Amino acid sequence: DAGVTQSPTHLIKTRGQHVTLRCSPISGHKSVSWYQQVLGQGPQFIFQYYEKEERGRGNFPDRFSARQFPNYSSELNVNALLLGDSALYLCASSLRRTTDTQYFGPGTRLTVL
Amino acid sequence: QKEVEQNSGPLSVPEGAIASLNCTYSDRGSQSFFWYRQYSGKSPELIMFIYSNGDKEDGRFTAQLNKASQYVSLLIRDSQPSDSATYLCAVSQGLEYGNKLVFGAGTILRVKS
Repeated sequence: DAGVTQSPTHLIKTRGQHVTLRCSPISGHKSVSWYQQVLGQGPQFIFQYYEKEERGRGNFPDRFSARQFPNYSSELNVNALLLGDSALYLCASSLRRTTDTQYFGPGTRLTVL
Repeated sequence: QKEVEQNSGPLSVPEGAIASLNCTYSDRGSQSFFWYRQYSGKSPELIMFIYSNGDKEDGRFTAQLNKASQYVSLLIRDSQPSDSATYLCAVSQGLEYGNKLVFGAGTILRVKS
């Protein structure tokens, strides 16, 4: 079975621009979570979506938004990019909504210039 | 106080030795505990999860959990150069937090041949 997939792999944007990152979960998984990982730190939780509804939100500004589609794939949107948004953005999928094992995709490396 | 703390390392061990990685967490209500391995430039890969006090073994890996001491560890037996990576400890805090994982900053492990 295919694992979690993410696109694009790499992305370069300039300050003030907008970006959309995409994620497809493992087949049968209904929960998608997004994490931001800055160099030298552990991943930080941004959002969780389960059955197309937001189920959790981390301490990120409103410039960050996400949604989940009927096929359980998900998009993460970031508006008005700042230099500090440069990071590895990780998508993780799981079968259940709570305290479940999460499997990560390969990530999208975002560079903001 | 950080929610999940790990020694950043690097932890250097000779090939064939036992590597011991440690993690402490602050939330006593935490329910699930995960160890991920992350190679440089790659996404986290699940190694093990543990929910109950005691030891859990999987091949060369043993996870140990002590909820009274709020401590979780990972032992790697017969360490190999391919085990050289950053090891991330992650904690799921409880049902009300959905699938949010709180990560430590990771411990860098170097296995010398």
